[in-house]
Amino acid sequence: AQKVTQAQTEISVVEKEDVTLDCVYETRDTTYYLFWYKQPPSGELVFLIRRNSFDEQNEISGRYSWNFQKSTSSFNFTITASQVVDSAVYFCALSEAGTGNQFYFGTGTSLTVIP
Amino acid sequence: DTGVSQNPRHKITKRGQNVTFRCDPISEHNRLYWYRQTLGQGPEFLTYFQNEAQLEKSRLLSDRFSAERPKGSFSTLEIQRTEQGDSAMYLCASTTPGIPREQYFGPGTRLTVT
Repeated sequence: AQKVTQAQTEISVVEKEDVTLDCVYETRDTTYYLFWYKQPPSGELVFLIRRNSFDEQNEISGRYSWNFQKSTSSFNFTITASQVVDSAVYFCALSEAGTGNQFYFGTGTSLTVIP
Repeated sequence: DTGVSQNPRHKITKRGQNVTFRCDPISEHNRLYWYRQTLGQGPEFLTYFQNEAQLEKSRLLSDRFSAERPKGSFSTLEIQRTEQGDSAMYLCASTTPGIPREQYFGPGTRLTVT
């Protein structure tokens, strides 16, 4: 079974629009960690954020914000006022304390921001 | 530049040949991970090391795949008797020990098996 599901394969928005990327995860562990990574066209994965299962506070960093909801097993990522430089593939990932800290990545959402 | 480095960046080989990739992690990171990424997919975990100890290798794709980290610094991933299905990007990442922290990824080695 897929531990991390990113149902949106591709999204296109016009510059300055807001966009939310969905991530749903599945785990039986009570201690786990969630991550978002960005993979621009150059190919190298770039870390964006980490959240642990005990911290449900939402976080904002500039134009980026993250909404963690344990009740729905979701960890969604919103980009406000999108820019062309935001065009990339975004991956959500899960690490469970009980499985030796292996990382499980979703299939990614390809975001295209149209100028 | 003190990031994760991988060599070579590209490798083209004929089916049946053996290939070896190298990863040099960030110097103070003692955890090192290998992933495979195919087109349109997320990175797929293969194995990881803490120092020289390989703590998880059950997810290596077959017995043709092996990894080493003999001195706890750089690591190598070897694929024996390559098959066309092995064509993919092979990613290395490193991190500090303890609770899962952000992994820092290298640029990857793109393998093409003809």
